[in-house]
Amino acid sequence: DIQMTQSPSSLSASVRDRVTITCRASQTIGSYLNWYQQKPGKAPKLLIYAASSLQSQVPSRFSGSGSGTDFTLTISSLQPEDFATYYCQQNYITPYTFGQGTKLEIK
Amino acid sequence: EVQLVESGGGLVQPGRSLRLSCAASGFIFDDYAMHWVRQAPGKGLEWVSDISWNGDNMGYADSVKGRFTISRDNAKNSLYLQMNSLRAEDTALYYCAKDMGNSYGFDIWGQGTMVTVSS
Repeated sequence: DIQMTQSPSSLSASVRDRVTITCRASQTIGSYLNWYQQKPGKAPKLLIYAASSLQSQVPSRFSGSGSGTDFTLTISSLQPEDFATYYCQQNYITPYTFGQGTKLEIK
Repeated sequence: EVQLVESGGGLVQPGRSLRLSCAASGFIFDDYAMHWVRQAPGKGLEWVSDISWNGDNMGYADSVKGRFTISRDNAKNSLYLQMNSLRAEDTALYYCAKDMGNSYGFDIWGQGTMVTVSS
């Protein structure tokens, strides 16, 4: 199975900060990488698909980059509603593994 | 409105069975592959299983292979997960999710149904 490793596991930041979360795959996955946001008690929400494509109605302050084994999610200017847990996921091959999550907290 | 609604969760003893359902609406159900994803209390997301648009191809996580069976009824716009030989480690919130297609990720999720395996 492909292992997905996110860093950091948790992060404290302030409103208007620029934040980057990284995700590394244990083998190459091309651009088959997605990012999700999950708030407490809610289902995950797709933010970025195919490594860098912004899902419809997701604010443009979210962006994704990378290919192969190394990927990043960047939030250009944190807003209060962005404090949540973020997961990467590979859908290159089953099982479609997720990273362990990055909890983004208010500083 | 595009929507997925799961049902069928509950408290079940180890070794017993449970069948989850997911009712889809607001999109052409038989155009898309579908998935089950679970989340144990306080833990991360774990992909469980998927099924192709026509039900011909299924995939499973190693942790559930041989115990869980995914199926769909396109006439009823419904997805199912038959869970047998349940274990304590299967305790989780189970989500159904719609595949975007083209390997683009899971764009629609239900609210989840909780399965608790305990004696």
